[in-house]
Amino acid sequence: KNEVEQSPQNLTAQEGEFITINCSYSVGISALHWLQQHPGGGIVSLFMLSSGKKKHGRLIATINIQEKHSSLHITASHPRDSAVYICAVKTTSGTYKYIFGTGTRLKVLA
Amino acid sequence: DAGVIQSPRHEVTEMGQEVTLRCKPISGHNSLFWYRQTMMRGLELLIYFNNNVPIDDSGMPEDRFSAKMPNASFSTLKIQPSEPRDSAVYFCASSQFTQKNSPLHFGNGTRLTVT
Repeated sequence: KNEVEQSPQNLTAQEGEFITINCSYSVGISALHWLQQHPGGGIVSLFMLSSGKKKHGRLIATINIQEKHSSLHITASHPRDSAVYICAVKTTSGTYKYIFGTGTRLKVLA
Repeated sequence: DAGVIQSPRHEVTEMGQEVTLRCKPISGHNSLFWYRQTMMRGLELLIYFNNNVPIDDSGMPEDRFSAKMPNASFSTLKIQPSEPRDSAVYFCASSQFTQKNSPLHFGNGTRLTVT
């Protein structure tokens, strides 16, 4: 079993839909990253959070440390949101160590 | 800030050739990471530098891979000799280690194809 699990692996949505991507982890963490990667593109950090909730534009990230779970929500989705979303946890065992989820491939149709 | 800068963006080479990938981290960042991304294995840490010193190279696949960081603003990842199975996207990332939970900043990656 992977230490960081994301669901779903693939997601297709219609423009305007509310989208939720989930990340569960089994290790102790000091922080969690949500990353975005467009096809053939670089990796962009969307959020880094260690508790509670963060919001940036149409994106919202939440984390529940007790349940070892985080969600990334996209409101009013748009085709330009189509990308791979990767959850990465910064472990407490090694202060530099990140464990990456396998990513959720999102496609938003116009 | 220009962000993390990697070069080249694409590299196509023949098996057996030497390949050198380059990275300029964000100014002021003292942690630098080299990652490899493949469809099968996702993102894997190859090596981590802190203050230009290699701290963890346990992810380097084998002796054909080597990495250096001669100063705070430059790092290289070298593969010699290259093999087709080295084909992947190689990412460099940097962060500020002394800042608690400083986020990772990735470069645009180098797509390596070894034929």
